Amino acid sequence: GAVVSQHPSRVICKSGTSVKIECRSLDFQATTMFWYRQFPKKSLMLMATSNEGSKATYEQGVEKDKFLINHASLTLSTLTVTSAHPEDSSFYICSARVGGVGYEQYFGPGTRLTVT
Amino acid sequence: AQTVTQSQPEMSVQEAETVTLSCTYDTSESNYYLFWYKQPPSRQMILVIRQEAYKQQNATENRFSVNFQKAAKSFSLKISDSQLGDTAMYFCAFVYNQGGKLIFGQGTELSVKP
Repeated sequence: GAVVSQHPSRVICKSGTSVKIECRSLDFQATTMFWYRQFPKKSLMLMATSNEGSKATYEQGVEKDKFLINHASLTLSTLTVTSAHPEDSSFYICSARVGGVGYEQYFGPGTRLTVT
Repeated sequence: AQTVTQSQPEMSVQEAETVTLSCTYDTSESNYYLFWYKQPPSRQMILVIRQEAYKQQNATENRFSVNFQKAAKSFSLKISDSQLGDTAMYFCAFVYNQGGKLIFGQGTELSVKP
């Protein structure tokens, strides 16, 4: 089946620094990638949708200057959390979709970000 | 606005028994897709089952089946012969053609007890 990887799986950074999370589709080309944030025992909250070669579409309330998304190729999207603060600590999950809206989204294993 | 509601925050079932998880949704769209995703303690999201709204036949995948009631906007998941590995958070999700993004329910935490 389709595999999506995320790197790193865990990261700890100091307040005020930036951290980059990579999302890769390993065995397929993803037309669309998504970034989610999840709090403990809560549902996934969509942050942004990105298509290769174009600017990401951010959900209402998500700061685009803080959460920079780059979808450089059909197999790679990155999320950079800039000037991180402790409240940015969370579980970040990416997903990738190979076709139209009815197709399955394949999820990465997630990245645990802790900002100290 | 499209919404998905899972009214059971937690459920438990004995191993080998059957359990049904509820999901309702609200939409004015006619073309859409429904999904159940499973998130075990590892937190890896896994697709359990998918249903196209235009299909009347309920989807099945081995021990997992759905009861799709389009008029009632209901999409419940039945797990038969529950196994310990079914212990997970289960999310119902919806996407419509013009939207493109999954709308998730709040989740139901299922515990399968030996």
